[in-house]
Amino acid sequence: NAGVTQTPKFQVLKTGQSMTLQCAQDMNHNSMYWYRQDPGMGLRLIYYSASEGTTDKGEVPNGYNVSRLNKREFSLRLESAAPSQTSVYFCASSETRLAGGQDTQYFGPGTRLTVL
Amino acid sequence: AQSVTQLGSHVSVSEGALVLLRCNYSSSVPPYLFWYVQYPNQGLQLLLKYTTGATLVKGINGFEAEFKKSETSFHLTKPSAHMSDAAEYFCAVSVGTGFQKLVFGTGTRLLVSP
Repeated sequence: NAGVTQTPKFQVLKTGQSMTLQCAQDMNHNSMYWYRQDPGMGLRLIYYSASEGTTDKGEVPNGYNVSRLNKREFSLRLESAAPSQTSVYFCASSETRLAGGQDTQYFGPGTRLTVL
Repeated sequence: AQSVTQLGSHVSVSEGALVLLRCNYSSSVPPYLFWYVQYPNQGLQLLLKYTTGATLVKGINGFEAEFKKSETSFHLTKPSAHMSDAAEYFCAVSVGTGFQKLVFGTGTRLLVSP
């Protein structure tokens, strides 16, 4: 049982390049999330998928797109990377039995992205 | 709008001393509250959470937190710090109508000295 896995672990991009961050969970969870973590700012929600087939914007969606490929996988795409997107990106998942408020989120190990 | 305030970006304690990490929230409805811990170069993991019922919540590794509605607080405590407790701690609150999402505080880094 691997939990939440993310690839790659590290990535360096040049401004304007594109890339996709991959996330998969093996806990049969309904909901998945993408966060970014920046020093002194905690975690901020980029996009989430409440259930398979749905995606919605979070607090900081600009410059990103997501795809909920199936129940297990939720990818985050940067179409044209900018230095402001240098951050650590975390994927998380939760079971979501009701409206999601009480559910524990399980986090992946993160992807450290640097945009030059 | 719901939000979370964590007082002190860094807290230093000696091994064996009391750990107290502060968290205050703002919410227009009874909140669900969480504490997560992040060890260096790892993702976050749940320490404990308050949903309903008993206001004193016990978590892993000897941590506990008390929900105080009158003070809008959910402070995290541990009677005796261990070197392995050195990490960053995040308080979070569930927000929103319909599907609820987490809003995180800015985090408190706990430093434990011998």
